[in-house]
Amino acid sequence: AQTVTQSQPEMSVQEAETVTLSCTYDTSESDYYLFWYKQPPSRQMILVIRQEAYKQQNATENRFSVNFQKAAKSFSLKISDSQLGDAAMYFCAYRSVRPNSKLTFGKGITLSVRP
Amino acid sequence: GAGVSQSPRYKVAKRGQDVALRCDPISGHVSLFWYQQALGQGPEFLTYFQNEAQLDKSGLPSDRFFAERPEGSVSTLKIQRTQQEDSAVYLCASSQRDRGFGYTFGSGTRLTVV
Repeated sequence: AQTVTQSQPEMSVQEAETVTLSCTYDTSESDYYLFWYKQPPSRQMILVIRQEAYKQQNATENRFSVNFQKAAKSFSLKISDSQLGDAAMYFCAYRSVRPNSKLTFGKGITLSVRP
Repeated sequence: GAGVSQSPRYKVAKRGQDVALRCDPISGHVSLFWYQQALGQGPEFLTYFQNEAQLDKSGLPSDRFFAERPEGSVSTLKIQRTQQEDSAVYLCASSQRDRGFGYTFGSGTRLTVV
């Protein structure tokens, strides 16, 4: 079974600064997908960024980028130029490439942004 | 609709009461998932539908939990004889077909059992 671990329960960043959120996972599969989701108080899970394991190039989406280390099974999220609207819970998630696979989430990290 | 709609947004149930939670996925979305999110935790998988077929219900915690999607669109998650440990946010997610991309999530139903 796959597991996703987010060991930092909370982090804080100054507005306009950069912050990195950590995630590790465990799997015996060689191909899979990894995701970072943002969950604001509205509770809706919003996809931030996605990485396909067979791609060596790290994914980027505007101010969001990942550091994907497949051998180390590490998948961290870097948020540059942090904004007040980035404050939320962030979840790392894993999905197999097998059809009908579910998402396996970590416990999440609460990010606060100081003005 | 434009997004995944879940109702009610909040539900308070007395212990022992039956509840029904509704999910309206995006029109045409084939795949539909239910997740349970306890306070301060990440969502945990409950069950999966492809159209009207329930292909995976391995995450349902007990036989008090039942889900259906009879016409392949709207889905209902039913919890019988609710208990305090059932208190959680129940999230629904859908996608157009089984793809390795992220799903569109609803805003969930927060269930509180008193």
